[in-house]
Amino acid sequence: NAGVTQTPKFQVLKTGQSMTLQCAQDMNHNSMYWYRQDPGMGLRLIYYSASEGTTDKGEVPNGYNVSRLNKREFSLRLESAAPSQTSVYFCASSEPTGAGSEAFFGQGTRLTVV
Amino acid sequence: SQQGEEDPQALSIQEGENATMNCSYKTSINNLQWYRQNSGRGLVHLILIRSNEREKHSGRLRVTLDTSKKSSSLLITASRAADTASYFCATESPTSYGKLTFGQGTILTVHP
Repeated sequence: NAGVTQTPKFQVLKTGQSMTLQCAQDMNHNSMYWYRQDPGMGLRLIYYSASEGTTDKGEVPNGYNVSRLNKREFSLRLESAAPSQTSVYFCASSEPTGAGSEAFFGQGTRLTVV
Repeated sequence: SQQGEEDPQALSIQEGENATMNCSYKTSINNLQWYRQNSGRGLVHLILIRSNEREKHSGRLRVTLDTSKKSSSLLITASRAADTASYFCATESPTSYGKLTFGQGTILTVHP
C-alpha cells in the first residue's frame, strides 16, 4: 500500500523555468492538497481539491496552478519559477468528515530555484 | 498566516523524561490534530482531538484541548531516542473540512 506518492523527490530549476510536481494516492480519498514548507515554518496550503473536478486556492496560491487529473492524481505546476518558490512541497490526501479526518502525506519534493 | 503558535520552538531532553509541547490557535475549530515529521520525511498523523473533547490518549501520547483558551498540549511520556522529530499542531475549521492550518512546530531532541 503506497499511500501518497510524489515525484520527483528533488529538483533544481533556473529562474523562469517551468515544472510540474506529480502526486498520486491509492486510498480512494476525495480530497487532495498541496502544501509548502519553508525553514522554521509549518506547512502552508497552496491549493486543494475537495473532490474530483474541483480545485480551490489556499493561503499561498500565487505563482502556482493545479490540475485534478482524476480521483487519484493531483498535480502542481510552476509556470515561471522564482527563487521565492524554493521550498519543500508536500502533497496530502484525506477523506473529510464532520468528525474530522487525518491527512496522509507524501515524502515531499525539495525544490531549489536558482 | 499561521493559525497556530507552538511553544517551545525547540526542546531537548534525556531518554525516559516526559516531553510537553504547547499549541495556541486563533479561530474556532472543528478539531485539532498533531503530526510528527522525521528529518527529511513527510508528516505522520499522531492524534486528533475534537472540539468537544478535553483530553485524549494514544499509547504514550496525551493530548489536551482547552477551547476557552484556544490552546492544546501534547505530552509524550517516557521519551525514547526514536521520538526525536518535529511536532506540529494543525487545526481544522468547522467550515472547511479537510483543510488544515499548521503551527510552526516544535523540534524535539531526545538524547539516549
